Amino acid sequence: DQQVKQNSPSLSVQEGRISILNCDYTNSMFDYFLWYKKYPAEGPTFLISISSIKDKNEDGRFTVFLNKSAKHLSLHIVPSQPGDSAVYFCAASNSGAGSYQLTFGKGTKLSVIP
Amino acid sequence: DTEVTQTPKHLVMGMTNKKSLKCEQHMGHRAMYWYKQKAKKPPELMFVYSYEKLSINESVPSRFSPECPNSSLLNLHLHALQPEDSALYLCASSQEAGRTEAFFGQGTRLTVV
Repeated sequence: DQQVKQNSPSLSVQEGRISILNCDYTNSMFDYFLWYKKYPAEGPTFLISISSIKDKNEDGRFTVFLNKSAKHLSLHIVPSQPGDSAVYFCAASNSGAGSYQLTFGKGTKLSVIP
Repeated sequence: DTEVTQTPKHLVMGMTNKKSLKCEQHMGHRAMYWYKQKAKKPPELMFVYSYEKLSINESVPSRFSPECPNSSLLNLHLHALQPEDSALYLCASSQEAGRTEAFFGQGTRLTVV
C-alpha cells in the first residue's frame, strides 16, 4: 500500500512559467513533509520542507503548500528554469517516538522547456 | 559543510566477494541512514542509526551488514550478494531521526555480477 503518492510520473513546463508538482498521502500520522530533487545517478537533494502545523512554506522560487484535510501537498516552482529539470520526490515522516522512516513517493519527472 | 560523502562512487563485485560501502558526514548529525534505490523507483529505507545505535532494520537480508563506528561514519558491509542487489545505495544523515531534513550522499552505484 503506497502511503505517499505522486500520480503524475512526468510534467513539462515552459521556461518562466509555474511548475506545480502534486503529492497525496494516506497516513494521517505523517506530520512532516519534504521535497527532494534528484538528477540521474546522484543522490536526492533536499529542497524544502513543511511541518503539519503550517500550511505554506516559501524559499526563493520554491513554495510548498499543505492541505491537511485533503492530505495533499504541492510544490510550486516559479519561475521555472531549465536547470529545474529533474525528478522530484515528495517524502513524509511521522515524527512520533520511534518513527524514523522517510516514506517517498515514486517521483515526478519535471522537464522545463527553454 | 553540508556534505554527505560516499565512497566508492561505483562498485562492481562478484557474488562471492566481500566489500564495504562507506559514508561520512561532519555536520554533527546524530541520525544516519542507508537507502537502496532501483531504477525509476523511490529510495527504500534499509537501516537507521540514531546516536550510533541501530534503530531500524527494514527486514534487510543478512548479506547486508551495517556498522556505525562513530557519529560521523556509517559503513555497509556486503557479502554474498545477488545480481538483484544491484542498485544505487544512498547514505543520508539528519540532525535527529525522523523530523529533520535528511541530506543525502551521491550514492554508490553497485553492480553484482
